[in-house]
Amino acid sequence: AQKVTQAQTEISVVEKEDVTLDCVYETRDTTYYLFWYKQPPSGELVFLIRRNSFDEQNEISGRYSWNFQKSTSSFNFTITASQVVDSAVYFCALSEAGYTGTASKLTFGTGTRLQVTL
Amino acid sequence: EPEVTQTPSHQVTQMGQEVILRCVPISNHLYFYWYRQILGQKVEFLVSFYNNEISEKSEIFDDQFSVERPDGSNFTLKIRSTKLEDSAMYFCASRKTGIMSYEQYFGPGTRLTVT
Repeated sequence: AQKVTQAQTEISVVEKEDVTLDCVYETRDTTYYLFWYKQPPSGELVFLIRRNSFDEQNEISGRYSWNFQKSTSSFNFTITASQVVDSAVYFCALSEAGYTGTASKLTFGTGTRLQVTL
Repeated sequence: EPEVTQTPSHQVTQMGQEVILRCVPISNHLYFYWYRQILGQKVEFLVSFYNNEISEKSEIFDDQFSVERPDGSNFTLKIRSTKLEDSAMYFCASRKTGIMSYEQYFGPGTRLTVT
């Protein structure tokens, strides 16, 4: 069975600080996909990134970067120079590849609430 | 940019009543999902739907729940006889076909309150 653990329930930082959100996953599949979603106070779920299990290259998008390490089953998310607008709940999620035509569900972690203050 | 839409944004109903939550997925997407999020908790998978049939369902998705794609654009979740514990935010999501298109795009959610 697949499982995602986000051990950090809540993180508070001051604006301009860097912050890393941790995500550890479990799966028996050899092919799987990892995601990060942002849930701002307005409540919607915003897709941020997908990473495939066969591609361990790290990714940077502006102030966001992701570190995927298969050896430790981790997919951590770093925000550099945090801003107040980054305040949200961030969810890590996992989807197993499944068979052709199978719509693979997302298994979410419990989320990390990030509070960025001035 | 195309997006998933959901109606209503908030539904209040009495215990035992039937509710239908509506979703319009992104137009070229073929996989559809429902998830729910009880207040302050994680997002939980309910059901996935492809090619006009359920692909997978969770243990939450019991006989009280059903899904339907009544036409070419809508995707609905029906709860036959609501219980207090059905109070939650319900999210619809959709994704494209293709093995490199696993990201799901979510609607804004319907907050269901059962009294």
